[in-house]
Amino acid sequence: GESVGLHLPTLSVQEGDNSIINCAYSNSASDYFIWYKQESGKGPQFIIDIRSNMDKRQGQRVTVLLNKTVKHLSLQIAATQPGDSAVYFCAENMRYNTDKLIFGTGTRLQVFP
Amino acid sequence: EAGVVQSPRYKIIEKKQPVAFWCNPISGHNTPYWYLQNLGQGPELLIRYENEEAVDDSQLPKDRFSAERLKGVDSTLKIQPAELGDSAVYLCASSLTWGGKNEQFFGPGTRLTVL
Repeated sequence: GESVGLHLPTLSVQEGDNSIINCAYSNSASDYFIWYKQESGKGPQFIIDIRSNMDKRQGQRVTVLLNKTVKHLSLQIAATQPGDSAVYFCAENMRYNTDKLIFGTGTRLQVFP
Repeated sequence: EAGVVQSPRYKIIEKKQPVAFWCNPISGHNTPYWYLQNLGQGPELLIRYENEEAVDDSQLPKDRFSAERLKGVDSTLKIQPAELGDSAVYLCASSLTWGGKNEQFFGPGTRLTVL
């Protein structure tokens, strides 16, 4: 299938293990953060979000952690499955423009049996 | 409910030719966006609308790119003339604002190859 990117940072994990994908954001004024999953040939798909007044938010099998001190965001995926294989992007939302998303570079997650 | 629809999915043209992309946002959403995604990178905003008004087009190369909101629903993005460096995936998104936050839903994109 098509490839979103050929030279992305890649994380390889075994099926069933936990995955941690990291992201550094740039603007200390950002107050809303989103993780997107992008499969080959598809557009980004919303996974989970977090506001800057929180440092942790949990969803189904996913957890987002926010460290505003060092401007760091992470996505944890529990019991990683083959269907989790994709490119993951973090995006930040600028406080003064609530509709403008700034996307990070992306990390490719590969799940092997 | 259908998601964001884009067409065509793929387009191959020669440089200096015009090209147009079409987007049908999710029904009920009033804010379509156009993004450009280069290989290995995250999407970059080109233009976004609120209803019929373009409210952020600072990243749109206006000498060759233009966008339109058609009858308040569909949107088109046009490049004339296309250059080799325009080869990329063009993503359309639409948004629904609720609970004080804005959630964007992306279409599958149009992959443009300029030869």
